[in-house]
Amino acid sequence: DAKTTQPNSMESNEEEPVHLPCNHSTISGTDYIHWYRQLPSQGPEYVIHGLTSNVNNRMASLAIAEDRKSSTLILHRATLRDAAVYYCTGGPGGTSYGKLTFGQGTILTVHP
Amino acid sequence: SQTIHQWPATLVQPVGSPLSLECTVEGTSNPNLYWYRQAAGRGLQLLFYSVGIGQISSEVPQNLSASRPQDRQFILSSKKLLLSDSGFYLCAWQGTGVAKNIQYFGAGTRLSVL
Repeated sequence: DAKTTQPNSMESNEEEPVHLPCNHSTISGTDYIHWYRQLPSQGPEYVIHGLTSNVNNRMASLAIAEDRKSSTLILHRATLRDAAVYYCTGGPGGTSYGKLTFGQGTILTVHP
Repeated sequence: SQTIHQWPATLVQPVGSPLSLECTVEGTSNPNLYWYRQAAGRGLQLLFYSVGIGQISSEVPQNLSASRPQDRQFILSSKKLLLSDSGFYLCAWQGTGVAKNIQYFGAGTRLSVL
């Protein structure tokens, strides 16, 4: 399993961009980089995933370093509803078995 | 659309009592299903996964077991709960097609063993 390292916490103001970093230096060449987030007392929610190229969806953007040892989740305009724990994880993509291993994640606080 | 149901939402059980947590998925067929546990302030730990009816794989040795009696039903059980079984239990199913890399989680069951 890819070991990931994230800051314990980050803060942002509402409507400002947020860049959440993740180091995954042991990720294998075929592992995808996944991001999930979890609100208090809820199950994790998928945010975005990618392999090598930068990815965009309606929730966020994912910037992946060329060497794939790190990535950054970008929330373009933070809202109060984006306050959550954000998990970065490496996991197999496109296989019949998709184990996800979450570390402690980054607690994102958004100030009004 | 697909939905996942977990119940109960919270549970308080005495040490030594049995456990049965149920998870059902709607709107998809033959999904890969997962049971995770999250201890307070910790990340997720995969407990069991299933790729089909009656097929269960365990990730870590423990006091728990899982069963998949029907295609879209996944059950987590214990014969005798331990204090260390307390935690937030999450069921998830894996998407297919364009969503094959995505796992969708239920709302979870918070178990307190006293």
